[in-house]
Amino acid sequence: DQQVKQNSPSLSVQEGRISILNCDYTNSMFDYFLWYKKYPAEGPTFLISISSIKDKNEDGRFTVFLNKSAKHLSLHIVPSQPGDSAVYFCAAAGVGAGNNRKLIWGLGTSLAVNP
Amino acid sequence: DSGVTQTPKHLITATGQRVTLRCSPRSGDLSVYWYQQSLDQGLQFLIQYYNGEERAKGNILERFSAQQFPDLHSELNLSSLELGDSALYFCASSVDTAAGNTIYFGEGSWLTVV
Repeated sequence: DQQVKQNSPSLSVQEGRISILNCDYTNSMFDYFLWYKKYPAEGPTFLISISSIKDKNEDGRFTVFLNKSAKHLSLHIVPSQPGDSAVYFCAAAGVGAGNNRKLIWGLGTSLAVNP
Repeated sequence: DSGVTQTPKHLITATGQRVTLRCSPRSGDLSVYWYQQSLDQGLQFLIQYYNGEERAKGNILERFSAQQFPDLHSELNLSSLELGDSALYFCASSVDTAAGNTIYFGEGSWLTVV
């Protein structure tokens, strides 16, 4: 059962436009969310995170929005650049037994930004 | 920015070597946690420190060790590295040890063993 879902396996956007990557989760115990970017043949690179006490976090061209009632978060990239073309992973962390927390990954969305 | 700082961000090393990963917790947080994560697996809890003392131990191998220093930063030492140790190592911190506290994750240190 996929607790973190990235329903769009791929997304294509024109350079300069907005890219919106979506992520849905099912476990209401998740309280911390991260976005990672991965280029081919490289390890994932941390992009941006958000705690459940916030509904928005912004870092330059990247903004993450969290809608707890809908159990939905999204990553906005404005303006999109060709160098943003990569696979984007959403991950969610939640309290488990004792201090054992689980970080659950989505399957990723491949973003292509066309010049 | 969670306030948790991890270095290095990426590290490539050979089998049999030893590496040290460093973590600075959020200002005011006394508890530090180390986790190991590979992309296709859930987060594995390794070890927790609170105010310099080991508080809880998870699935940490004997080849791995950690400590928390008086200034509250922590180091995770990985020795006799094997290919299977390649993973993302997260440090996290919280105010204290209560299970309900929000734990803030660092950006991770990606270790590749070749």
